Amino acid sequence: KAGVTQTPRYLIKTRGQQVTLSCSPISGHRSVSWYQQTPGQGLQFLFEYFSETQRNKGNFPGRFSGRQFSNSRSEMNVSTLELGDSALYLCASSLEGQWTDTQYFGPGTRLTVL
Amino acid sequence: GENVEQHPSTLSVQEGDSAVIKCTYSDSASNYFPWYKQELGKRPQLIIDIRSNVGEKKDQRIAVTLNKTAKHFSLHITETQPEDSAVYFCAASRGIKAAGNKLTFGGGTRVLVKP
Repeated sequence: KAGVTQTPRYLIKTRGQQVTLSCSPISGHRSVSWYQQTPGQGLQFLFEYFSETQRNKGNFPGRFSGRQFSNSRSEMNVSTLELGDSALYLCASSLEGQWTDTQYFGPGTRLTVL
Repeated sequence: GENVEQHPSTLSVQEGDSAVIKCTYSDSASNYFPWYKQELGKRPQLIIDIRSNVGEKKDQRIAVTLNKTAKHFSLHITETQPEDSAVYFCAASRGIKAAGNKLTFGGGTRVLVKP
């Protein structure tokens, strides 16, 4: 099976702009989670989607949003970008999003905000 | 919310020696504890996990132990090899259906295995 894919892999934006990142889960996986990875804060949970519904949300401002489509593909959006949003954004998919399901990570999208 | 602390932040070992990474968690309801390995420029990959009804799990050179009373768990790598050099992350999640599988990660340990 193909692994989790994310597009684009690299992105450069300026402050105030908005950005949309895409994640395609492993075929058959219905849960998609998003994480932000930075050197200072490590890996932090953003949100999780299952069956097109947001099931969990981390402690991020409302500028961070997401959605999931009927084919389980997910997008996350960041509006009004700030310098501190520069990070590696990772998505992870799992079969049903159950607590014992392994999460498989994608390669990430590296976002740089200038 | 859940908080996971991981120590040490960096670990340098000689090839063939053992490496131990320790994590403590705050939420007593957590009952699933995976460990991920992230090589430079690569995605995190699960290397081993443990559930709260098990005290120890082993997979070849890697083992994880869990002490639910003390709320800490550890990763043990024996006979380290240069390819074990990477950043290792511990994580915890609650085993409740409504919680999905939200993972709270530790800060990571950079392991360097010197040949």
